[in-house]
Amino acid sequence: GAVVSQHPSRVICKSGTSVKIECRSLDFQATTMFWYRQFPKQSLMLMATSNEGSKATYEQGVEKDKFLINHASLTLSTLTVTSAHPEDSSFYICSVPGRQETQYFGPGTRLLVL
Amino acid sequence: GENVEQHPSTLSVQEGDSAVIKCTYSDSASNYFPWYKQELGKRPQLIIDIRSNVGEKKDQRIAVTLNKTAKHFSLHITETQPEDSAVYFCAASSGGYQKVTFGIGTKLQVIP
Repeated sequence: GAVVSQHPSRVICKSGTSVKIECRSLDFQATTMFWYRQFPKQSLMLMATSNEGSKATYEQGVEKDKFLINHASLTLSTLTVTSAHPEDSSFYICSVPGRQETQYFGPGTRLLVL
Repeated sequence: GENVEQHPSTLSVQEGDSAVIKCTYSDSASNYFPWYKQELGKRPQLIIDIRSNVGEKKDQRIAVTLNKTAKHFSLHITETQPEDSAVYFCAASSGGYQKVTFGIGTKLQVIP
């Protein structure tokens, strides 16, 4: 199956700063990637679908100007949390769809905004 | 859009007993139903999945059943072990490159 990496694994930042999270598909070309957010003791909630070479598709209630997604190549999608606030603190996970509906998840990025 | 409901939210069983987690889905177009195990701070791991053309699937101590008419699917873990303790998520998808909708999760605790 596909190997998916994320960087950084954890990040602490001050309120008002921007944070970029990278999701890489190491051995599988990904025209589509998904970005999820998971608050403590909650489920994974899809934020957006990242499409290579075109605009991302955001889920209802997710601010596209706050969560900037760039999918510039078949192996890399980035999520930038702009002007981060404490309520953005969460576990962010990307996934790459594989063959036969399988999803390959990245290891996740723990974001803490002070 | 799809809505997946899952219960119970927490489940405690004695080691060796069985555990059952149930889910329902709303979108009749969904045709792929994976189950994930997530340990604290880790990524979800696929433990078993079932497609809508199959009613039951088993892999060692884990089995999943699907009732497409009732839009129900369930996870059965037999002979539970302490290492089975984790959060389990059911999910539904309409396949291909379609998004996956997750249930709220079930925290399973296996008591030695």
